[in-house]
Amino acid sequence: AQKVTQAQTEISVVEKEDVTLDCVYETRDTTYYLFWYKQPPSGELVFLIRRNSFDEQNEISGRYSWNFQKSTSSFNFTITASQVVDSAVYFCALLYNFNKFYFGSGTKLNVKP
Amino acid sequence: DAGITQSPRHKVTETGTPVTLRCHQTENHRYMYWYRQDPGHGLRLIHYSYGVKDTDKGEVSDGYSVSRSKTEDFLLTLESATSSQTSVYFCAISEGASYNEQFFGPGTRLTVL
Repeated sequence: AQKVTQAQTEISVVEKEDVTLDCVYETRDTTYYLFWYKQPPSGELVFLIRRNSFDEQNEISGRYSWNFQKSTSSFNFTITASQVVDSAVYFCALLYNFNKFYFGSGTKLNVKP
Repeated sequence: DAGITQSPRHKVTETGTPVTLRCHQTENHRYMYWYRQDPGHGLRLIHYSYGVKDTDKGEVSDGYSVSRSKTEDFLLTLESATSSQTSVYFCAISEGASYNEQFFGPGTRLTVL
């Protein structure tokens, strides 16, 4: 069975703190893709990153970084020096069988000034 | 921003009535998706389309049907709405391949009384 677990339902931090959002996935497919999306309070969904199962390189984009580890089936997302604008719900998602998407239940991040 | 619109944006209906939600894109993207978002569940895939007249079921397709007669339009129909279908419905599109990033519409809030 395919599955994405975001065990952290809600996290609160103070501005400038670093925060890591966890994502653990489960799939029997050898070819799959992992995604992170952001949903700010306004409600729209915004794509952040995509990784395929053959590329375990970590990625950094400004204050955002992602750690993909197949050995632990994890694809964690770290925000460095968090800002109030980072407050949102963040979803991790798995694409398997080339057409089937499975989203985690999301982690709500509250960044307080 | 990707050109995706959803109509209506809000709808209240009664149990047993048929409801059709429309997703319209101006990007000429091949893939289109319908998701529902409920608290604690993240986004769940209802149906998707990989071309005109080509559709397939997602994780929670029971009670829903879809049609795609033109590249730009993807319709989601609830043949006989039930209260369990009260949700926020999101349409998404992706270009070329299913593993490309998805662009999401603004969502439709449906309430079934």
